[in-house]
Amino acid sequence: QSALTQPASVSGSPGQSITISCSGTSSDVGGYSYVSWFQQHPGKVPKLMIYDVSNRPSGVSNRFSGSKSGNTASLTISGLQAEDEAHYYCSSYTSSSTRLFGGGTKVTVL
Amino acid sequence: QVQLVESGGGLVKPGGSLRLSCGASAFTFSDYYMSWIRQAPGKGLEWVSYISSSTSYTNYADSVKGRFTISRDNAKNSLYLQMNSLRAEDTAVYYCAREGSYATFDYWGQGTLVTVSS
Repeated sequence: QSALTQPASVSGSPGQSITISCSGTSSDVGGYSYVSWFQQHPGKVPKLMIYDVSNRPSGVSNRFSGSKSGNTASLTISGLQAEDEAHYYCSSYTSSSTRLFGGGTKVTVL
Repeated sequence: QVQLVESGGGLVKPGGSLRLSCGASAFTFSDYYMSWIRQAPGKGLEWVSYISSSTSYTNYADSVKGRFTISRDNAKNSLYLQMNSLRAEDTAVYYCAREGSYATFDYWGQGTLVTVSS
């Protein structure tokens, strides 16, 4: 049960777009449309941003979008804002009926 | 609004046991899978265990298999995690979370801190 692979950090200037990757295998990310993304500000509870690869829960800004290609899922934040500075985690269902998180990506707004 | 409230955390010695509880409200608890997720201090999220809506199915991360047991009481709208043979590396904030679909943790509790130390 190795964690999904995310870059440790991604940065961008206000207004830019950034993309965070989440790499797995055909037994998790690549095998199912059950990939979610979470935002966590320091000291706060994680918040669901994207589910089932590309769906946004009600109330989440349309600046956040998700996609998947093969064994890699991606979260794109467009029109980067200061409030987007946080840690982001992906999660996936697996063929063993477990769930896996990525190691997390720190997004810095320059 | 949906609310999840964990309790039962605290300081325990290595090898000890602890039982976490999670009370749910404002949704039909028996309709949803539930999971426990933990976060060690300064570290990332780690999925621990899930239980199906009817309690028929459970599963665990390898790191806790054989030591932790998840259960639920749908009549009491409550989720539990029995943790035995605790180790220092089990020190973390433990969250209960509702699963809207597989790996979609759409609501989280505030978490309860478990510290394993002598």
